[in-house]
Amino acid sequence: DAGVIQSPRHEVTEMGQEVTLRCKPISGHNSLFWYRQTMMRGLELLIYFNNNVPIDDSGMPEDRFSAKMPNASFSTLKIQPSEPRDSAVYFCASRTSGSGVQYFGPGTRLLVL
Amino acid sequence: DAKTTQPNSMESNEEEPVHLPCNHSTISGTDYIHWYRQLPSQGPEYVIHGLTSNVNNRMASLAIAEDRKSSTLILHRATLRDAAVYYCSRTGANNLFFGTGTRLTVIP
Repeated sequence: DAGVIQSPRHEVTEMGQEVTLRCKPISGHNSLFWYRQTMMRGLELLIYFNNNVPIDDSGMPEDRFSAKMPNASFSTLKIQPSEPRDSAVYFCASRTSGSGVQYFGPGTRLLVL
Repeated sequence: DAKTTQPNSMESNEEEPVHLPCNHSTISGTDYIHWYRQLPSQGPEYVIHGLTSNVNNRMASLAIAEDRKSSTLILHRATLRDAAVYYCSRTGANNLFFGTGTRLTVIP
């Protein structure tokens, strides 16, 4: 099993540009989570999907952030327009509906200049 | 999650046992307790979880207080590879609330 796959691993962009982060969950997992990690705020849950449907997006910072899950094997997190304060490591995680154990991807390190 | 509290840092000598505490005083009856650890430049990695009873696996042991308001992750013999940030969390039906984490330093 390849685990959760995220791309790109690193992204450097300029303020105002659109950024798209991608995630492929583990096959057979029916829940997908997007997290953001910063030194100041730690690990924050942004949004959660169950069976491709967004269940809780209360953690999404503002309208500049959007997430989609068009099918069970792919999700995107988009920031438009990006701002320097969006600089962080973004993690995707997936799980089955059993014990709640989440499996995290390696993360995307985003730097907005 | 501000209601899941952990010490910021701890130190342990190599080959010694380590007890990492966590308080989750607002845990509900159906929430699981999960522990994850994060090595530098990696995503969090699952360590162990439990509901009410103590749990053991190849990585660690989890001791859960009778009232479930606290738990302790036990590494029986710390190695240098165990140096990481350890996160305690409570898992509800739809999400996972992380604590702020404890940075474990293992001294050779």
